[in-house]
Amino acid sequence: DAGVIQSPRHEVTEMGQEVTLRCKPISGHDYLFWYRQTMMRGLELLIYFNNNVPIDDSGMPEDRFSAKMPNASFSTLKIQPSEPRDSAVYFCASSEAGDYGYTFGSGTRLTVV
Amino acid sequence: KQEVTQIPAALSVPEGENLVLNCSFTDSAIYNLQWFRQDPGKGLTSLLLIQSSQREQTSGRLNASLDKSSGRSTLYIAASQPGDSATYLCAVGDTGRRALTFGSGTRLQVQP
Repeated sequence: DAGVIQSPRHEVTEMGQEVTLRCKPISGHDYLFWYRQTMMRGLELLIYFNNNVPIDDSGMPEDRFSAKMPNASFSTLKIQPSEPRDSAVYFCASSEAGDYGYTFGSGTRLTVV
Repeated sequence: KQEVTQIPAALSVPEGENLVLNCSFTDSAIYNLQWFRQDPGKGLTSLLLIQSSQREQTSGRLNASLDKSSGRSTLYIAASQPGDSATYLCAVGDTGRRALTFGSGTRLQVQP
């Protein structure tokens, strides 16, 4: 099993540009989570899905952020337009319904200049 | 809203020492508590998961305890090694909500 796969590993973009982060969860996992990590705020939940349906998006900062899960093997987190304060490491994680263990991806380091 | 606090923020010890990392949470209605390890520039690796009905879990040199009533958990590392150097994160799963709330972590440095 290749684990949770995130792409890209690093992204540098200019303010105002659209950014799309991608995640492939572990096959068979029912839950998918997007977290953001910064020095100031630590790890914060942005949104999570159960069986491709968004369950809790209360952590999504504002309308500039959107997340989709069109099928069980793929999710995207989009920021449009991006701002310097969005610079952070974005993690995707997945989990099975009957097992509360989490598997995290390696993260995407986003820098908005 | 659940809040998770970890003390100390950073810790440096000589190799071979036994050490304790602390985690506290404000809402005791939790479903489980997990400890993770994060190496610089890497993702999180799950170390131990304690269900709310359990008091402790052990894996090798690691032992995690949970006291729901007082809102506390400890991670005990025996005979520390330089390879244990990393940031250790405590995370709480609340009843009725699948997502985890994380503490800010303890950065551990084990000196050879």
